[in-house]
Parts: sequence; structure tokens; C-alpha cells
Amino acid sequence: DAKTTQPTSMDCAEGRAANLPCNHSTISGNEYVYWYRQIHSQGPQYIIHGLKNNETNEMASLIITEDRKSSTLILPHATLRDTAVYYCIVGGSNYKLTFGKGTLLTVNP
Amino acid sequence: DTAVSQTPKYLVTQMGNDKSIKCEQNLGHDTMYWYKQDSKKFLKIMFSYNNKELIINETVPNRFSPKSPDKAHLNLHINSLELGDSAVYFCASSRGLAGGSTDTQYFGPGTRLTVL
Repeated sequence: DAKTTQPTSMDCAEGRAANLPCNHSTISGNEYVYWYRQIHSQGPQYIIHGLKNNETNEMASLIITEDRKSSTLILPHATLRDTAVYYCIVGGSNYKLTFGKGTLLTVNP
Repeated sequence: DTAVSQTPKYLVTQMGNDKSIKCEQNLGHDTMYWYKQDSKKFLKIMFSYNNKELIINETVPNRFSPKSPDKAHLNLHINSLELGDSAVYFCASSRGLAGGSTDTQYFGPGTRLTVL
């Protein structure tokens, strides 16, 4: 699976949009980009995934660059409950999702 | 209803003991997983089962033995527990291939294992 690079930590003000970047320059054509998050002491939670097109669901939006070498997860109106570690994962067809170190997003009041 | 459940939530035991962690999913998924999250918070896959058959074994010591009695259950038995086994163990399930277009993994709440 392709490797991803994310900032170690980010801060965001409550109510503002949180934009979490991810680089995956070695992504191959059939690999999806997944985002999960882990709130302290809980199991990871699926957020969104995409292949080429931008995606939006009730939790977030995913913007994937045209060359697919990077993506951005957008939480449109961050709340204190969105404080978590966010993982960007590139998944292939081998049953595995490989979690990296992720980005600790802290939403401040 | 809890989608993926694990028991127990906490497990404290002595070195050398044998223990089991149970996982059940009520999502009708075909694939189940065990992950280990160590003190440094790295989350690593250990095993994956698809329709009760082992499909991933990530160089885990053979003291760890997963058992899948049916598609809805994947238990983890650990023999001769060592200090380094202390971690949080997460069970997960998905419809099929991870990374597939419609496949996402749903995680349980975790089991915190402490080996003394």
C-alpha cells in the first residue's frame, strides 16, 4: 500500500472549517483514499473515502487533487467533539488498511 | 444496537497466563480483523478472516491464535502472555476487501490488556 504523510498536529477554532492535508505521492491507480479518526480511548471511526472525485457526506468533504498525489479532509464546522487523531490511509486490494501516525486535530473553544 | 462489540473491555493479568478476547459483529459482514495499538499509539493489523478463513497473518507470534467459529465472531486467544503484549486490541469488520469501493471497516471499542 502507498505511504501517506500527514502533519503531526493541527489546531482549529470551534465553528471554523478544519482542513487536514495528506500527501500520498506513490498512490497507484486502483487505490482509494480513506479517512478515519480516533477519538481518545475509542475505536477508529470511518469518515469518508474516495478514488478520483471529490466526495461529501454528513461528516466531511474529501478533496482529491487531479494527479491524486494529495488530498484534504474538510470538516466544515468543527466542534469540540471533533478533537481526535485523523488518519489518511491509502488502500489497495489486499484486505489491509495500514494506519500511519495521523494528525492530532485539536478544536479549541 | 452495538455493531461491533468486544469483551472484556479491560483485562489485567499476570505474565505467563493464557487469556481470550471475544469479538462479535451484527452487521452481517464477511470479514473481521484484529488490530493492536501499542503504547506509542501505532495501530497495526494482526489478523484478518474472510468467511471464517484466515487471509492475513501479519508476522504475529504463534502465541496469538485467532478463532472464527462463524462469520459473526472472531476471538483472539493469547498464550503465555508477555509484558510486551500490553496494548489495546481492536476488533473490526467489513463487508469484504479492505480498500474496495464499498468496503469500510467498523471498529469495536477496544480491549485494554495489561500484563503485569
